Amino acid sequence: GESVGLHLPTLSVQEGDNSIINCAYSNSASDYFIWYKQESGKGPQFIIDIRSNMDKRQGQRVTVLLNKTVKHLSLQIAATQPGDSAVYFCAESGGGTYKYIFGTGTRLKVLA
Amino acid sequence: DAGVIQSPRHEVTEMGQEVTLRCKPISGHNSLFWYRQTMMRGLELLIYFNNNVPIDDSGMPEDRFSAKMPNASFSTLKIQPSEPRDSAVYFCASTDWGNYGYTFGSGTRLTVV
Repeated sequence: GESVGLHLPTLSVQEGDNSIINCAYSNSASDYFIWYKQESGKGPQFIIDIRSNMDKRQGQRVTVLLNKTVKHLSLQIAATQPGDSAVYFCAESGGGTYKYIFGTGTRLKVLA
Repeated sequence: DAGVIQSPRHEVTEMGQEVTLRCKPISGHNSLFWYRQTMMRGLELLIYFNNNVPIDDSGMPEDRFSAKMPNASFSTLKIQPSEPRDSAVYFCASTDWGNYGYTFGSGTRLTVV
C-alpha cells in the first residue's frame, strides 16, 4: 500500500529537530480527531487522538494541539528520528456521523 | 491479534476481468470500512458495514463495485468488470468504536492494465 505520492506537501527536518505538521479541518461539529502515520507499503497507523473538549494531548514524543476557533490541528514530534519519515494524515469525525474525513496528508522527510 | 488482514497484497489484472479483494477484520470489531487511496483523491471511503450490514455505500463509484460481509470475520470487495481507472490501493479497516480510531490493513495494490 503506497501512500499518496507526488502532490503532497512535504516537510523536511533535520534528525533530532522537532517537527510540526499542520491540518485544517472542515467541520465545526467534528468532536474527535486522530493523527495517522502511513509508511511506505503500509496502511495508516494510529498515532494519537484528541477530543474536542481538550486543546492539547501528549503521547510519547508526540503532542497534538487543537484550536477549535480556527479549526486547526497540529502534530508535534519531538526529536524527530529517521523512522518518523512517513506521510501523516489528520482525520476528523463527529457531528453525528460515523465517518472519518481524512486530510490530504503531509510527507515528512527526516534528513540525516 | 494479527490485525486487519487483506489479500492479495498485489493484484495485476487485465481490463474487463473480475477482481475480488478480501479482508479479515480484527476479532470483536463490529464495524468494517473499505477505502480506496489514489494520488489524486487521497483516501476515499467506499462502503461501511456495521454488524455485517452495509450502512452506507454512497462512496462506491458505480455498479461495477460491490461489497459483501457474509459474517463478522470476512468481507469482500468485488470489481466487475475492472477498468484501468480502478487502479489504486484498497484498504480495509475495522473498529469497535473505542479509542484508537480505525485499524487499517496493509492494503491491496490493484493495477488494471
